[in-house]
Amino acid sequence: AQSVTQLGSHVSVSEGALVLLRCNYSSSVPPYLFWYVQYPNQGLQLLLKYTSAATLVKGINGFEAEFKKSETSFHLTKPSAHMSDAAEYFCAVSEGNTPLVFGKGTRLSVIA
Amino acid sequence: DAGVIQSPRHEVTEMGQEVTLRCKPISGHNSLFWYRQTMMRGLELLIYFNNNVPIDDSGMPEDRFSAKMPNASFSTLKIQPSEPRDSAVYFCASRPAYTEAFFGQGTRLTVV
Repeated sequence: AQSVTQLGSHVSVSEGALVLLRCNYSSSVPPYLFWYVQYPNQGLQLLLKYTSAATLVKGINGFEAEFKKSETSFHLTKPSAHMSDAAEYFCAVSEGNTPLVFGKGTRLSVIA
Repeated sequence: DAGVIQSPRHEVTEMGQEVTLRCKPISGHNSLFWYRQTMMRGLELLIYFNNNVPIDDSGMPEDRFSAKMPNASFSTLKIQPSEPRDSAVYFCASRPAYTEAFFGQGTRLTVV
């Protein structure tokens, strides 16, 4: 069965600094991978997705992620953090058309 | 498209009462999911439907929980009787085949 591990339940960065949120997955077949963002009292919004095309995926708000099969990783990065990036971020995996399985989430704080 | 619509957004009820949460998926999406989000357990899949048919309800915590999808445009999640430990945010999501899930804004349930 597929699973996701997000390293670090809370990450804090300075405004303008690099954002790196880590995600490792387990899957018995080539996976579909997703990053979602959740702002307080809202639903989950898709940031980006990997569905077996290019391994470097660009998403909204300047985020990107790289699929590394050898490392079973799909880390999320952004070159320069903005105050508006403060939110909860979730990595998810799916095996084809199976339901998405989510990690525990990483809360990102951005310090002015 | 208005997205996935959930109602109510907030529900406060007394222990022992019946609670019904409602969801209207995005038109044309053939899969529907009910997730529960808590601080302790994160995002848990409760049940999912493909083409209105329940496929996997192994995530439903107890017989007190039930879900239906009478047609492609409507689903309900019912808790009877409700208990304080059922307090959580309940999300409905829908999905076309082999891509990301689209989430509603959630229903925040408080059982007192």
